[in-house]
Amino acid sequence: QKEVEQDPGPLSVPEGAIVSLNCTYSNSAFQYFMWYRQYSRKGPELLMYTYSSGNKEDGRFTAQVDKSSKYISLFIRDSQPSDSATYLCAMSETSGGYQKVTFGTGTKLQVIP
Amino acid sequence: EAQVTQNPRYLITVTGKKLTVTCSQNMNHEYMSWYRQDPGLGLRQIYYSMNVEVTDKGDVPEGYKVSRKEKRNFPLILESPSPNQTSLYFCASRSIGMSTDTQYFGPGTRLTVL
Repeated sequence: QKEVEQDPGPLSVPEGAIVSLNCTYSNSAFQYFMWYRQYSRKGPELLMYTYSSGNKEDGRFTAQVDKSSKYISLFIRDSQPSDSATYLCAMSETSGGYQKVTFGTGTKLQVIP
Repeated sequence: EAQVTQNPRYLITVTGKKLTVTCSQNMNHEYMSWYRQDPGLGLRQIYYSMNVEVTDKGDVPEGYKVSRKEKRNFPLILESPSPNQTSLYFCASRSIGMSTDTQYFGPGTRLTVL
């Protein structure tokens, strides 16, 4: 079993929809959680990061962590065609982050105009 | 402009021929890392470095070497490449503050080992 599981998609939604992207993990030592966006033929870019359970909001993006269920989510409100990309979750065991980082396999999202 | 550069961007080589992929960052970040990305397996960390002369293994270090002699550079060395090292490679740099996390990835190096 992989330490981090992520549905590869693809996920197709109409423009303006709310998108929910999810990851589950098995390592209860994970404390630091990140979401990246990767456009085709580009390197990943960090979108959101959080240390703790609960919600963190940044513009149209909300990251949610439920440590009791070992489940994290990224919500995108008012989705735009420019949001079409692969979204990767990642996590590490320390809040400092200077440690090994484990990624999910990524979910490909397509937002249809 | 904040930047992570990798060279070469594309490389086709043969089994056993030593190669080095360079990585350089201009942000004075302490933390640098190498990843490989393969279909269905996602990004997997090869090695990471917390500062000059400090490196540690990630999830898939076998067949790779790294060095961190200067803060800005973090080369990835394949002493004897094999076909299973055909992949897309990314270098990244990172700086973490009290409530900030700044990360940049390079543009990627597509390596084919025949």
